[in-house]
Amino acid sequence: GNSVTQMEGPVTLSEEAFLTINCTYTATGYPSLFWYVQYPGEGLQLLLKATKADDKGSNKGFEATYRKETTSFHLEKGSVQVSDSAVYFCALRTGANNLFFGTGTRLTVIP
Amino acid sequence: NAGVMQNPRHLVRRRGQEARLRCSPMKGHSHVYWYRQLPEEGLKFMVYLQKENIIDESGMPKERFSAEFPKEGPSILRIQQVVRGDSAAYFCASSPPGQGDGELFFGEGSRLTVL
Repeated sequence: GNSVTQMEGPVTLSEEAFLTINCTYTATGYPSLFWYVQYPGEGLQLLLKATKADDKGSNKGFEATYRKETTSFHLEKGSVQVSDSAVYFCALRTGANNLFFGTGTRLTVIP
Repeated sequence: NAGVMQNPRHLVRRRGQEARLRCSPMKGHSHVYWYRQLPEEGLKFMVYLQKENIIDESGMPKERFSAEFPKEGPSILRIQQVVRGDSAAYFCASSPPGQGDGELFFGEGSRLTVL
């Protein structure tokens, strides 16, 4: 079956620190992989995505590389800002099916 | 192009009442998905609908919950005889036809509180 295992939080970092949030997956077939972000009181916004092995998704300084050999899609950012404080969700989708989400990782960035 | 529109944004119901949550997908999108998010938890899939059809309802509780996506008008998630455990944020997402495994576009959610 399909599942996503995501690094548990919460994660607290100082501004300008390096961020890694781990995500591994199990899937039938060849999934597309996504990172969504949820700011307080809001819905989910797509942060980045990758649709095939070795693709790198990037947006707003965040990056993640689709690693088929390790079934991973870890999220990284070189220098976080206070405005990056949010909950981050890793997700996968195979074919025209629903998204399977990880449990989410809450990030707090302190000045 | 308006995004996915959900209403109401906040809904308060007493135990035993009915809750109706509405979702208008993005223009041109004919696929709708409903998810539930309990406090401090991730999103759990509930149901996937296309116009006039339920495609996958494997995440829907067997009782009290139903969903529809009529030919005209928004998709509706209906919860009958609500209980305190139904208190959650309900998110709707949509996608266009034939998109395969692309992204889903989410609304801002409807937050249900059951007193």
